[in-house]
Amino acid sequence: NAGVTQTPKFQVLKTGQSMTLQCAQDMNHNSMYWYRQDPGMGLRLIYYSASEGTTDKGEVPNGYNVSRLNKREFSLRLESAAPSQTSVYFCASSEQPTSTGELFFGEGSRLTVL
Amino acid sequence: KQEVTQIPAALSVPEGENLVLNCSFTDSAIYNLQWFRQDPGKGLTSLLLIQSSQREQTSGRLNASLDKSSGRSTLYIAASQPGDSATYLCAVRMNNAGNMLTFGGGTRLMVKP
Repeated sequence: NAGVTQTPKFQVLKTGQSMTLQCAQDMNHNSMYWYRQDPGMGLRLIYYSASEGTTDKGEVPNGYNVSRLNKREFSLRLESAAPSQTSVYFCASSEQPTSTGELFFGEGSRLTVL
Repeated sequence: KQEVTQIPAALSVPEGENLVLNCSFTDSAIYNLQWFRQDPGKGLTSLLLIQSSQREQTSGRLNASLDKSSGRSTLYIAASQPGDSATYLCAVRMNNAGNMLTFGGGTRLMVKP
């Protein structure tokens, strides 16, 4: 049972380049999330998708776009990468908030922007 | 705005000790609270989830308690082992915040053999 799978695991970009982080879950969860984790800042929500077809901004959405491709997949796009976006990115999923709301995370994608 | 604090930021104990990790939050109107474990270079693994109506949850050597009125949760680890060494994070979901969780900064635990 794979759970939440993220690709790529590591990426180095130059300032101004674009890239997409992919996330897929096989638990039939309705809600999916993208977080970034930075030293001293903890985990912060970038965007989330409560259900297929919907997306909403989280705490730090600037510089990012997301696509909920289908129920399984939720991608995060950096259109013009900046050094401030160097971080570890985590995708997560959960059932509807009206259930337990337990969150399951992927292994993370480590992004460096030079 | 909800703020979640975990103290201490780091903790080192000898193997076999019982220990308590603390999590405090400023707004008691929470939907639930979840404890996670994160190993270096890895993602977060869910340990325990406590709904706002519950007082505690147990899983093996782990016991998490919740006191909403005082804005506190504790994670109790019994008979600690070197394999328990990791960073432990707590996160709260608010009643009115949709799907947004607010995370604490974590406690980095080292259990020495």
